[in-house]
Amino acid sequence: QVTLKESGPVLVKPTETLTLTCTVSGFSLSNARMGVSWIRQPPGKALEWLAHIFSNDEKSYSTSLKSRLTISKDTSKSQVVLTMTNMDPVDTATYYCARILRWELLDYWGQGTLVTVSS
Amino acid sequence: DIVMTQTPLSLSVTPGQPASISCKSSQSLLHSDGKTYLYWYLQKPGQSPQLLIYEVSSRFSGVPDRFSGSGSGTDFTLKISRVEAEDVGVYYCMQGIHLRWTFGQGTKVEIK
Repeated sequence: QVTLKESGPVLVKPTETLTLTCTVSGFSLSNARMGVSWIRQPPGKALEWLAHIFSNDEKSYSTSLKSRLTISKDTSKSQVVLTMTNMDPVDTATYYCARILRWELLDYWGQGTLVTVSS
Repeated sequence: DIVMTQTPLSLSVTPGQPASISCKSSQSLLHSDGKTYLYWYLQKPGQSPQLLIYEVSSRFSGVPDRFSGSGSGTDFTLKISRVEAEDVGVYYCMQGIHLRWTFGQGTKVEIK
């Protein structure tokens, strides 16, 4: 079955770089018309789309965060990595990865990982 | 970026009664390919979001038929014909026409 699991630090300091990994199973990152998206949710707040990467390596980033984000994939390891530089306490959130099906549907989501930014 | 605006932000519904959520986009979500890239997601308490509706009105696999979506261009609606206790949570609309996807603020649905 399809699963996605986020991993990374639970606590980062302000100005540090966050690296999150999404490890997928049940499908290949090389499958046509598929991809992985990252979405975050500050405590008690709404979902915010961050970035996505498709099987053809096409990438897109949130306009407001574009300068701080990098998304990449390692198909052989079934992993998608998101880095976010210059972390700030306002970046405290649960970070989700989700599979993109047929270029558009977020059909499977990971459980999310809570990242707290604090000194 | 396209701004998605949902109303109301919260809704209290008696079981068995209908519910309706509106979502308006700052730009048309109709693509030149003829599809309209508007989606609805539900985040139940303590869970990850789940896809309910895609391309305005198509129910995703396993979604009960009491959920329906409608609309066009910039105005969209999610309707629940008869709300059940398991429908509580926060509903989000999302646009996918633009390279940079965006979500609405969410509408919290609770049971009276």
